[in-house]
Amino acid sequence: SQTIHQWPATLVQPVGSPLSLECTVEGTSNPNLYWYRQAAGRGLQLLFYSVGIGQISSEVPQNLSASRPQDRQFILSSKKLLLSDSGFYLCAWISDPSEAFFGQGTRLTVV
Amino acid sequence: AQSVTQPDIHITVSEGASLELRCNYSYGATPYLFWYVQSPGQGLQLLLKYFSGDTLVQGIKGFEAEFKRSQSSFNLRKPSVHWSDAAEYFCAVGAGSGGSNYKLTFGKGTLLTVNP
Repeated sequence: SQTIHQWPATLVQPVGSPLSLECTVEGTSNPNLYWYRQAAGRGLQLLFYSVGIGQISSEVPQNLSASRPQDRQFILSSKKLLLSDSGFYLCAWISDPSEAFFGQGTRLTVV
Repeated sequence: AQSVTQPDIHITVSEGASLELRCNYSYGATPYLFWYVQSPGQGLQLLLKYFSGDTLVQGIKGFEAEFKRSQSSFNLRKPSVHWSDAAEYFCAVGAGSGGSNYKLTFGKGTLLTVNP
């Protein structure tokens, strides 16, 4: 079956520290993968998407980066976190235009 | 590029009252349209979706939505709201031909409060 895993569920990090959030999918190959962020009052904003290994498209300029080291792995990173990076991060796998699967999300608080 | 507008940031209704959440989209053709619900601290749950055919779509938990091409709208409705419906609701538009240019764009959400 098709599943998407995202971890950790919650994270509290100090300003200036690095970040690595991981998303993996099962039950498919060559998925389109997406990272969204939900900040207070901002809705769900698309940050990055990837259509294959090593292929990353960035939607908004920011302090974050993404990588696709393996077909079913999508990583969101930062070298130095800012307070404004706090939010709820969702990984999504869209298998076709009619179907989207979401991870359970990571609540990141930068202090 | 597609965009989604949810004009109401916060709506409060009484339990048992009817509900309508508004959603307008911008896209050159008919997109894929979705409504998601997010309960506090939870991920997203799909309520319903529209691709083609009957413009009135039935979803889970008693929700329905109607696609109106002339108004570029996809409003969500429920005839009688339950306290458990209190959550944040997101309208989303999926557009593109797949491959490298398919994107799912969300509105900013509408927070629903249900009064007893």
